[in-house]
Amino acid sequence: GENVEQHPSTLSVQEGDSAVIKCTYSDSASNYFPWYKQELGKGPQLIIDIRSNVGEKKDQRIAVTLNKTAKHFSLHITETQPEDSAVYFCAASRTTGFQKLVFGTGTRLLVSP
Amino acid sequence: IAGITQAPTSQILAAGRRMTLRCTQDMRHNAMYWYRQDLGLGLRLIHYSNTAGTTGKGEVPDGYSVSRANTDDFPLTLASAVPSQTSVYFCASSDRASGQETQYFGPGTRLLVL
Repeated sequence: GENVEQHPSTLSVQEGDSAVIKCTYSDSASNYFPWYKQELGKGPQLIIDIRSNVGEKKDQRIAVTLNKTAKHFSLHITETQPEDSAVYFCAASRTTGFQKLVFGTGTRLLVSP
Repeated sequence: IAGITQAPTSQILAAGRRMTLRCTQDMRHNAMYWYRQDLGLGLRLIHYSNTAGTTGKGEVPDGYSVSRANTDDFPLTLASAVPSQTSVYFCASSDRASGQETQYFGPGTRLLVL
């Protein structure tokens, strides 16, 4: 089955710096890769996703890149702000048949003012 | 629109007791999911339902059961709770019928089994 690895487990940056979180996956048939942000005491919330037919997607200060050959994808946050502090999860799944999202173990991002 | 609601918010439970975690969504999504979240392990799928009347086992189903009598509700039952079931439980839903893969999560139930 699918296995998703996520690095780093914790990441501390200064406000205004960029942050990059990386994930690798094992199932070459996976074609949907969402990223979730989880704030303290809340459920995960989708922030961006990418499908295997594109290599990069941007939404304001966040972007995701996908390398299907290497089976890895990354989340990039530019001009970080203290409110970006949260735990971020990557996930991977197929979109045919039952959609089983397999999550990475999470990255705790701390943005210091 | 409330989205997904879960109840209770938190619970302390004695080992051996039966407990049902409630989940309700008002988005008319056909698919619903239960995950547990443990430190260092991310979110793991317990059970899922593709549509009302059907359910399936996820990655960690042992000790849990679910039912899907209608579109909106997807309760998770612990028949006889054990301390290893101490966790944060999240319910989620997605509109698979429309080809939408996005899963929307509820606020979670924090369960402590003593």
